[in-house]
Amino acid sequence: DVKVTQSSRYLVKRTGEKVFLECVQDMDHENMFWYRQDPGLGLRLIYFSYDVKMKEKGDIPEGYSVSREKKERFSLILESASTNQTSMYLCASRNRYEQYFGPGTRLTVT
Amino acid sequence: KNQVEQSPQSLIILEGKNCTLQCNYTVSPFSNLRWYKQDTGRGPVSLTIMTFSENTKSNGRYTATLDADTKQSSLHITASQLSDSASYICVVSAVGNKLVFGAGTILRVKS
Repeated sequence: DVKVTQSSRYLVKRTGEKVFLECVQDMDHENMFWYRQDPGLGLRLIYFSYDVKMKEKGDIPEGYSVSREKKERFSLILESASTNQTSMYLCASRNRYEQYFGPGTRLTVT
Repeated sequence: KNQVEQSPQSLIILEGKNCTLQCNYTVSPFSNLRWYKQDTGRGPVSLTIMTFSENTKSNGRYTATLDADTKQSSLHITASQLSDSASYICVVSAVGNKLVFGAGTILRVKS
């Protein structure tokens, strides 16, 4: 079974803090993705990576950065968290046929 | 503009009843369409995937249909169970692998 894990299920951070969300997949997938999910808006792509050290902006990259130092790990970084970044964050990895999601991290910025 | 619209936004049904969720899309060029189930607090899990040439695909009590001419898909759930309570997300893939997500339909099954 493909497994995509995320470092935290729930996080509460203060405005201005630097936040790291970690994602690990165990199926040697080249493509990994970070999405945020908000009620009524569906999933929106923040960044994706198609190889180690490679990254591409998605639809809403502002306020975020990413890091892919190893194939299995894709990190999402909020340089200075703001309240409008309160959301559910979903990581996914993908092979040729299917995209697999992690369990999500619910981030609250106060 | 590539869009995926789902209806209804939410739905409440009694256990044992059937229901149908709708998905209309304007994604072009079309590659495939997926239905995902997302339990509360969990990541989405794939139910079905259909390509242009497939009209119907079943996964247990879930049956998805696709009309590529009208750009519509439906997900039919038969004999609903309490565990079917979830959000159901329609995702359309354009050629080149860009995914376009619908906002989802929240289904609640009550006893």
